[in-house]
Amino acid sequence: NAGVMQNPRHLVRRRGQEARLRCSPMKGHSHVYWYRQLPEEGLKFMVYLQKENIIDESGMPKERFSAEFPKEGPSILRIQQVVRGDSAAYFCASSPPGFRENIQYFGAGTRLSVL
Amino acid sequence: QKEVEQNSGPLSVPEGAIASLNCTYSDRGSQSFFWYRQYSGKSPELIMFIYSNGDKEDGRFTAQLNKASQYVSLLIRDSQPSDSATYLCAVSQNNDMRFGAGTRLTVKP
Repeated sequence: NAGVMQNPRHLVRRRGQEARLRCSPMKGHSHVYWYRQLPEEGLKFMVYLQKENIIDESGMPKERFSAEFPKEGPSILRIQQVVRGDSAAYFCASSPPGFRENIQYFGAGTRLSVL
Repeated sequence: QKEVEQNSGPLSVPEGAIASLNCTYSDRGSQSFFWYRQYSGKSPELIMFIYSNGDKEDGRFTAQLNKASQYVSLLIRDSQPSDSATYLCAVSQNNDMRFGAGTRLTVKP
């Protein structure tokens, strides 16, 4: 049973370009979460999605950031017109259905560097 | 007020000692509580979860939950240098999880 798969592991973009981060949840998991972590800081919640639905995007910046979890395929976190402040580690986590058993399992992360 | 608060540390303990990590949360409706360990440059990995008041033990780790005080802790017995990492407290309600900033633990040989 493969774990949460994120790609790419490292992504380098120049200012103004688009960054697209992918996350495939664990088999059987229907909930996907995206977090951002700046160096030496904690995990900041960004968005919580289920298939074809955004459940909670209270942590997403209002501009340039978007996320989706289509019926088929991985979840995508898209950052348009990246700026240097977007440089961070972006972690995806997934969890199975059900409220109580909300154990989130993390992918290895995507390290975004904006030049 | 932050939703989940932890002492940032660093917390330093000698090898073999008990490390005590603390966490408070603001949402009384929180249902599930988690401790994750994160090594530098790596992703968080789950150590313990607890749902009910009281203690839960797993090997050298004990999680303690007090919902009345909105407090959850993690005890690590017989601390090892390999336990040196950042420990993240997480609190969840209805599948929404919020993390504390983490406590950095150093276990000195």
